Amino acid sequence: DADVTQTPRNRITKTGKRIMLECSQTKGHDRMYWYRQDPGLGLRLIYYSFDVKDINKGEISDGYSVSRQAQAKFSLSLESAIPNQTALYFCATASSGEGTEAFFGQGTRLTVV
Amino acid sequence: GDSVTQMEGPVTLSEEAFLTINCTYTATGYPSLFWYVQYPGEGLQLLLKATKADDKGSNKGFEATYRKETTSFHLEKGSVQVSDSAVYFCALSDHSRDMRFGAGTRLTVKP
Repeated sequence: DADVTQTPRNRITKTGKRIMLECSQTKGHDRMYWYRQDPGLGLRLIYYSFDVKDINKGEISDGYSVSRQAQAKFSLSLESAIPNQTALYFCATASSGEGTEAFFGQGTRLTVV
Repeated sequence: GDSVTQMEGPVTLSEEAFLTINCTYTATGYPSLFWYVQYPGEGLQLLLKATKADDKGSNKGFEATYRKETTSFHLEKGSVQVSDSAVYFCALSDHSRDMRFGAGTRLTVKP
């Protein structure tokens, strides 16, 4: 099984619909992140969490919300999806401490029509 | 805030050519620096890292040196292979804050 699992892998949804992307990890890491990837823009941070009670906004949090249900689970919600939220979304985890690497899921390709 | 700027590309090279992908950063503290690689259809995975000035990270023939004086962490490889075709991301992390990534550089290596 993958260390970081994202579901679904692909999703097409309509404008205005609510959608949730889920992420779970078996690494035992405290830190979890949600990024979106757009061509030419790299990865942009949406939200991050350093533990279950610590949620922080990233660069582009507008239109998104998150929930850290447990140390191993971090979900991303789009309350009312819009077409410019069409992107590839990645969840990542990392342990605390200096120089620790991030582990990524395989991504969720979301299309909003 | 902290940020990373990298050469966007795309970069196309012939097999066995020398590769350089430039990366510079802006940070208020003393971050750790990383290069990640993304193969088609996959998530990012760590290629190499350096945690302090003058450290050299290396892996699979790739290397990068943490240069504090020029705030740079350029990725190099002496002889690329077709299998190196991927997107490469430079990143920084201050352990007390978040992780920031560059825009990514797509590398295509032709036989």
